[in-house]
Amino acid sequence: QQQVKQSPQSLIVQKGGISIINCAYENTAFDYFPWYQQFPGKGPALLIAIRPDVSEKKEGRFTISFNKSAKQFSLHIMDSQPGDSATYFCAASKARDDKIIFGKGTRLHILP
Amino acid sequence: EAGVTQSPTHLIKTRGQQATLRCSPISGHTSVYWYQQALGLGLQFLLWYDEGEERNRGNFPPRFSGRQFPNYSSELNVNALELEDSALYLCASSSSNQPQHFGDGTRLSIL
Repeated sequence: QQQVKQSPQSLIVQKGGISIINCAYENTAFDYFPWYQQFPGKGPALLIAIRPDVSEKKEGRFTISFNKSAKQFSLHIMDSQPGDSATYFCAASKARDDKIIFGKGTRLHILP
Repeated sequence: EAGVTQSPTHLIKTRGQQATLRCSPISGHTSVYWYQQALGLGLQFLLWYDEGEERNRGNFPPRFSGRQFPNYSSELNVNALELEDSALYLCASSSSNQPQHFGDGTRLSIL
């Protein structure tokens, strides 16, 4: 049972463009939704996170949009840069220190 | 502040052998989590230890086990290794109600 569905699997965006990654979840008990960024040979690094009582959270060029009724959330990367090329994982858990359920990941490539 | 450290970086074993992976959490973190990142399967939760106790376990067979020591470091043991156990094993740590921070993993290859 895939509790967090992520799309697309891969994404190519021109430098300066907007990268959008979408996720959907099933378990309404989830209360914490982090996004992780992973570079080759490295572990996932926490990028930004949101709780379901907030519809949007912005940190620099990264924005999470959250739709609780639709059980969907998305990551927007504004002014995408080649250094943003990485694999992005959406995730969900019942608390920040509970086990994390990850989406399958999106390989993002930003064209210079 | 030192991050989560894992050792060894790479580990090569043959089928049927046993593997031991180690993790040192961020100073002050009492919880340690283990995840498996296998090709095509994504990141899957394996085990969660807090204050020396196993708090939760993912959908993995009993040959995957671990423990947490009094200094909060942790070991993951995998017995009777199978080819499908080849993966990157990631350790994360956190403190109460704080986000998890990951190490760079141990690449386990089964020949």
